[in-house]
Amino acid sequence: DVKVTQSSRYLVKRTGEKVFLECVQDMDHENMFWYRQDPGLGLRLIYFSYDVKMKEKGDIPEGYSVSREKKERFSLILESASTNQTSMYLCASDRLDARSNQPQHFGDGTRLSIL
Amino acid sequence: QQQVKQSPQSLIVQKGGISIINCAYENTAFDYFPWYQQFPGKGPALLIAIRPDVSEKKEGRFTISFNKSAKQFSLHIMDSQPGDSATYFCAASKRTWGGATNKLIFGTGTLLAVQP
Repeated sequence: DVKVTQSSRYLVKRTGEKVFLECVQDMDHENMFWYRQDPGLGLRLIYFSYDVKMKEKGDIPEGYSVSREKKERFSLILESASTNQTSMYLCASDRLDARSNQPQHFGDGTRLSIL
Repeated sequence: QQQVKQSPQSLIVQKGGISIINCAYENTAFDYFPWYQQFPGKGPALLIAIRPDVSEKKEGRFTISFNKSAKQFSLHIMDSQPGDSATYFCAASKRTWGGATNKLIFGTGTLLAVQP
């Protein structure tokens, strides 16, 4: 089974702090994704990466950056955390495949509170 | 054009009943329509998916109906069970980056409660 592991289930930080959320997948997937999940808004894509050191903006990248130094690890960075970034953050991965649609496999999320 | 509209926001169904969740999209470039199921405290997991070249796909008690002309698709859960109680997300995808990456646009989710 594919396993996507997010380093923290719960995280509390203060406004202005630099925050790192870590995600590791064990299936050698090329694609990795960061979403935030908010009630009534569903899942919204922040950033994704299709290869090491490659990144692309999703639909809501403002206030976030990402890092992918190794294939299995994808980090989400909040450069200066703000209260409106309080949310559930979900990491996902899938296999690069030009011939068929591959399912995205999700971690169990990090619930981040910014005080 | 990038939105996927999902309804209802919440749904209560009796055990053994049929649960129906609807989604609509605008962008005709979408070419893949998955449904994800999320239990409390867990990440979403793929439940069933359809491509627009078919009008229906069935897997066990779960069926996707797809209406390309209306740009709508729906999830039907037959013989709903308490264990089906979860949040369901529809999504739509278009290929990007040489056709090898799915960028999913999710609906807002439906919280399903199946009462025993």
